[in-house]
Amino acid sequence: AQSVAQPEDQVNVAEGNPLTVKCTYSVSGNPYLFWYVQYPNRGLQFLLKYITGDNLVKGSYGFEAEFNKSQTSFHLKKPSALVSDSALYFCAVKGSTLGRLYFGRGTQLTVWP
Amino acid sequence: DAGVTQSPTHLIKTRGQQVTLRCSPKSGHDTVSWYQQALGQGPQFIFQYYEEEERQRGNFPDRFSGHQFPNYSSELNVNALLLGDSALYLCASTTPGQGSNRRDNEQFFGPGTRLTVL
Repeated sequence: AQSVAQPEDQVNVAEGNPLTVKCTYSVSGNPYLFWYVQYPNRGLQFLLKYITGDNLVKGSYGFEAEFNKSQTSFHLKKPSALVSDSALYFCAVKGSTLGRLYFGRGTQLTVWP
Repeated sequence: DAGVTQSPTHLIKTRGQQVTLRCSPKSGHDTVSWYQQALGQGPQFIFQYYEEEERQRGNFPDRFSGHQFPNYSSELNVNALLLGDSALYLCASTTPGQGSNRRDNEQFFGPGTRLTVL
């Protein structure tokens, strides 16, 4: 069975500091991993994905994610947080079932000035 | 280029009623998936349509049904509404790949329909 865990409900960070939003996964077979962001009263926006290749994936808005197979993790990172990054972040995995995404519960990121 | 659109934006229904939600996929996309996002939860997969047929289904009762039209737009129908059906319903479309089955294709989401059941 495919699943994703986001161990932190909330992450708080000061503007200008680096941020990390954690995600661990469980899949049968090769993982196809995604990060999405959701702003209030909005749908999900795609940030980045890992399919294969380099373990460090670069995405939109300066975000990147590090894939670690041995730790089954796919943490989202940004070197310097902005107040406008404050939003709800979801990690997701596609498993062997075609097309279906399995989402974590989400992590609320708050960046304070 | 229009993204994924959904209608209506908000909807209020009472228990036992039926509701229909609509989705138009991003231009050039042919596969539509529906998700339910309850408050404080991540989205849960309901089902996926491709070539006007339901291709995959999540763990949702038969009260949830759908349809895809020849222009790739889709409807989600929920019968006999329960209070627990209150949620944000998200539609997502996928870039076509080889038969639109490619696992590496990201899904593009619409803004959602907020359904409240009283």
